[in-house]
Amino acid sequence: GAVVSQHPSWVICKSGTSVKIECRSLDFQATTMFWYRQFPKQSLMLMATSNEGSKATYEQGVEKDKFLINHASLTLSTLTVTSAHPEDSSFYICSASRERGTGVTEAFFGQGTRLTVV
Amino acid sequence: QKEVEQDPGPLSVPEGAIVSLNCTYSNSAFQYFMWYRQYSRKGPELLMYTYSSGNKEDGRFTAQVDKSSKYISLFIRDSQPSDSATYLCAMRGQAGTALIFGKGTTLSVSS
Repeated sequence: GAVVSQHPSWVICKSGTSVKIECRSLDFQATTMFWYRQFPKQSLMLMATSNEGSKATYEQGVEKDKFLINHASLTLSTLTVTSAHPEDSSFYICSASRERGTGVTEAFFGQGTRLTVV
Repeated sequence: QKEVEQDPGPLSVPEGAIVSLNCTYSNSAFQYFMWYRQYSRKGPELLMYTYSSGNKEDGRFTAQVDKSSKYISLFIRDSQPSDSATYLCAMRGQAGTALIFGKGTTLSVSS
């Protein structure tokens, strides 16, 4: 399958600081990338849909000023958690989509980023 | 009602058992159905996908979709300890839309 690289895999930061998470599709171009958040023993919750060159579409309840998403190229999307607080501590996962040409869209996931805000 | 319902388990089976994992959904617009496997602190990896109703088999894994009942299943035959993980069902509508996930079922296969 295609490879999606997410970096860093874990980060610890102080409350009030900002953290940037990168998501790269290494061997395909992803017109659409998705950012998910996962709490322990919970499902992946969609945060936002990111299209290259345009503003991200945020899900209801997700603060767009707090979770800044930039999709600068077809292979890179970034999520910046601004002014992080302990309640932002979670597992963040990106996903990049690829159309197979048979009508099926495959979604490939990054390794995830464990964010701990202290 | 949530869009996708999945029993979180945990489900414990002995090695060699047949495992049945299921999800129900409410959105009739869903067309693509997938199963992902997720190990602890890792991103999900795609196991199988199906389009619309029907069955699909890949090795020890069989995916079934019944759109009339809004019910999908994943069967694992001859389960192995290495199958121990969390299995997430996911589905979406038309191309370009995000996947909607179930909560995931934690499976433990004992040797």
